[in-house]
Formats: sequence, structure tokens, C-alpha cells
Amino acid sequence: EDKVVQSPLSLVVHEGDTVTLNCSYEVTNFRSLLWYKQEKKAPTFLFMLTSSGIEKKSGRLSSILDKKELFSILNITATQTGDSAVYLCAVRNLQGAQKLVFGQGTRLTINP
Amino acid sequence: DADVTQTPRNRITKTGKRIMLECSQTKGHDRMYWYRQDPGLGLQLIYYSFDVKDINKGEISDGYSVSRQAQAKFSLSLESAIPNQTALYFCATSDSGSGANVLTFGAGSRLTVL
Repeated sequence: EDKVVQSPLSLVVHEGDTVTLNCSYEVTNFRSLLWYKQEKKAPTFLFMLTSSGIEKKSGRLSSILDKKELFSILNITATQTGDSAVYLCAVRNLQGAQKLVFGQGTRLTINP
Repeated sequence: DADVTQTPRNRITKTGKRIMLECSQTKGHDRMYWYRQDPGLGLQLIYYSFDVKDINKGEISDGYSVSRQAQAKFSLSLESAIPNQTALYFCATSDSGSGANVLTFGAGSRLTVL
């Protein structure tokens, strides 16, 4: 059974800190890994990763995938209160192309 | 207007009642999904549909049914609601092909079953 595990489940830091969120997975025939940000409402798409070692970057957020060790990290530098959210990791396999398997999410709280 | 619209946004009901959650989209996507979110469990897939004539069960379909009335409309029904179906429900859409990886979510429907 495909499985996605995120850590930590909850993280509280001060504004300006740098954080690293982790996502490990066990999936047959891996196709892609996605990161979503969920504030009070719907999850919004951040990144899709398909190849190892290639960093995706958007402003202060970046992510990288390691297909050998089966994990991904999401980095946020110079955090702001607006970064407070639940960050979801999801994995898609080649056979199950119709669905994503989600992790539990990491709840990130940025205190001023 | 939102790309993916869910109604109702909040609903409180009693055990045994029939409930329908509706979803409509203006993205023009072929694929539509219903997910359930519980605290600490992430998102779990209930049903998905690749087109109007295609309906598939997800991981947790027991107690739920769906109807794809049109390309833009996908509804989720709880025939006889029970308290452990209290959750946040999300409808999502995606394109086919290379865009199928990225889901666009609705704002969610919070259901409470007493």
C-alpha cells in the first residue's frame, strides 16, 4: 500500500526563522511528488517534483526530491506570519495515475 | 467566481439523514474528485470521475455515492449519515494528460453529523 509520511506534524517558529519540512514516501512506480499549502480553506499548489536533485524554487520557498532515499524537503527561508498554514505532501504513482496519496500534513505556525 | 464551487459550505445534520454535497467547476477539466479530510489523517480519496460516464471508488467509498451529472458537476451523497462522517469534504478537478498531477480544490464543505 502506498504511504506518505510527513514530519514534523506541527512546528512553531518565530518570524524570520528558516524551516524545513519533510516528506517520506513508499510507493510503487513513483511518478511525481507534489506540495500544497492549505490555509483556512482549499489547498493550493506549490510545487511538483519528478526528478531527483533538481530544486524547485518560488520566492522564499524551495523544494527538492531524493528518489533514491524516497523523500522530499520543503524549505521556507525568512518566514513570515503569512506562511502559517498546513503544508501537504502528496505522491502519485504510474499505475495509480488517477489519484494522489496524501500525507498527514505539517501544521506550521509563525509567531511575530 | 471560484473555479471550483462547493455547496453547502457548512452543514449540520442528524444521524440517518440523507445529505448531498454539490460541486461545480468552470475549469473545463475532465477529471473530478471528492476527498475527505480529518485532523491528522491528511486527505483521503472517496470517489473520482474521469468523464461523465466514468465513476471510480477511492480509498474510503463505503457509505458514500456520487453522481456526475455533467462535465462540470459532480455531487457526493451520504445516504444515511453517521457521526464518523463528520469531516471536511473537498471537491477537486484536474486536467488529463500531463496536467493530471495538479489538482484544483474547492473551498471545502464542513459536515457535522450529530
